[in-house]
Amino acid sequence: NAGVTQTPKFRILKIGQSMTLQCAQDMNHNYMYWYRQDPGMGLKLIYYSVGAGITDKGEVPNGYNVSRSTTEDFPLRLELAAPSQTSVYFCASSYSILLAGWYPNNEQFFGPGTRLTVL
Amino acid sequence: EDKVVQSPLSLVVHEGDTVTLNCSYEVTNFRSLLWYKQEKKAPTFLFMLTSSGIEKKSGRLSSILDKKELFSILNITATQTGDSAIYLCAVTRDDKIIFGKGTRLHILP
Repeated sequence: NAGVTQTPKFRILKIGQSMTLQCAQDMNHNYMYWYRQDPGMGLKLIYYSVGAGITDKGEVPNGYNVSRSTTEDFPLRLELAAPSQTSVYFCASSYSILLAGWYPNNEQFFGPGTRLTVL
Repeated sequence: EDKVVQSPLSLVVHEGDTVTLNCSYEVTNFRSLLWYKQEKKAPTFLFMLTSSGIEKKSGRLSSILDKKELFSILNITATQTGDSAIYLCAVTRDDKIIFGKGTRLHILP
């Protein structure tokens, strides 16, 4: 299993440009998440998905969009990039919904991250 | 406002020492508390805690949750240089997950 993969690893955007961060998992997980991590800060949840065709906003969704057409893929779209979106973006997946904490040993798997700089 | 506060923010100890990392929280509709280890790249999951007073253990790492006092601790015994990392605490509620800023732990050989 490749686990959770993300592309690209690095990207520099100009203000106002758009891009899509790709995320894929091959563990047949229903639940997928996008986080951003700013320097010296913890992770913040942007969007999450509980299954193909179903997405929901997290803590900081403004400026982003997501789609989930398949179980495997969960791309994150940035429209009109702004310097405030400079961050490291992590995609993650889990077998069951992490937010509910229903499964005592539920584990969340993270991708390697995408470092995005908006100039 | 929901918040997760970790302390200390950074810690330097010698190999072989025991460390205790703290995580306190104020979150409505609490579901679970999670600990992660973050080295150079992505976080790796350590523990999920949902019940008070039940210690979770994995090798030299252990963690416990106190839902009355709203905190958790992560203990690492007989530390090794490979334990050097940022340790993140996160709390889930029914619609979101809130991460603390992390504790940066450095183990000196």
